[in-house]
Amino acid sequence: AAGVIQSPRHLIKEKRETATLKCYPIPRHDTVYWYQQGPGQDPQFLISFYEKMQSDKGSIPDRFSAQQFSDYHSELNMSSLELGDSALYFCASSYEGRGDTEAFFGQGTRLTVV
Amino acid sequence: DAKTTQPPSMDCAEGRAANLPCNHSTISGNEYVYWYRQIHSQGPQYIIHGLKNNETNEMASLIITEDRKSSTLILPHATLRDTAVYYCIVRVEQGGSEKLVFGKGTKLTVNP
Repeated sequence: AAGVIQSPRHLIKEKRETATLKCYPIPRHDTVYWYQQGPGQDPQFLISFYEKMQSDKGSIPDRFSAQQFSDYHSELNMSSLELGDSALYFCASSYEGRGDTEAFFGQGTRLTVV
Repeated sequence: DAKTTQPPSMDCAEGRAANLPCNHSTISGNEYVYWYRQIHSQGPQYIIHGLKNNETNEMASLIITEDRKSSTLILPHATLRDTAVYYCIVRVEQGGSEKLVFGKGTKLTVNP
C-alpha cells in the first residue's frame, strides 16, 4: 500500500540558508500534519492543512511557512535557518482529519544545519 | 499539552505479553485514544485506536476502562523488533483539526 512520501530524506544546510521539505500524502488523504522532533525529544506539532487550507497551527516559528497544493502535497519552507532547527521533520496524512481516522506518518526528513 | 501519562520505561521478555498502561483522566467523551510507536528515528507507526470499546487488530489489543480514564495496549507476544517508544495519544479536537499531541511515551525494551 502507498505510504506518505517525504523528500528529501536528508538535507544539510548552512546557517541563514533556506530549506524546502516536501510531503506527498497517501492517495485520497486530504489532511496533512507537520511535526518537528529534536534530538532526544518527542515529536512537536507544527502545522496542519485540510483541503488546502491551514487548519491548525502549533509551535511553528515565524521563519517557517507551509502550504498544501491542489494535488494535496504539502511543502514546509524554512528560512534563515538556525542551528537549533536541526531535527527530524515528519509529515503525516489522514482522511478528513477527523478524530476517528488514522493518521499515517512518513519516514521523515533529517535536517542538519551547520 | 499532552493529555496522557505513561511510565517512562518498561521491560518485557521476548515471547511474553507486553502491557503498556496509559492514564488519560481528562479525556472528553468524543476524543479517541490512539497508540503509536517509534522505532529509533523512524516515522511514528500507527498501532491502534479506540473510543469506548476494546479493539484488536493484527498488531495489538487496546483495552479501555469503562470510565475511559485509562487504557492498556497489549502486545500479545512481544518480539525484539517491538523495542520502541510507545506513545498513547488522546486526539484533540481543536479548530476543526484533530491533531495528534505527543507526550513523553514509554520506552519498551524487549529482552531475549
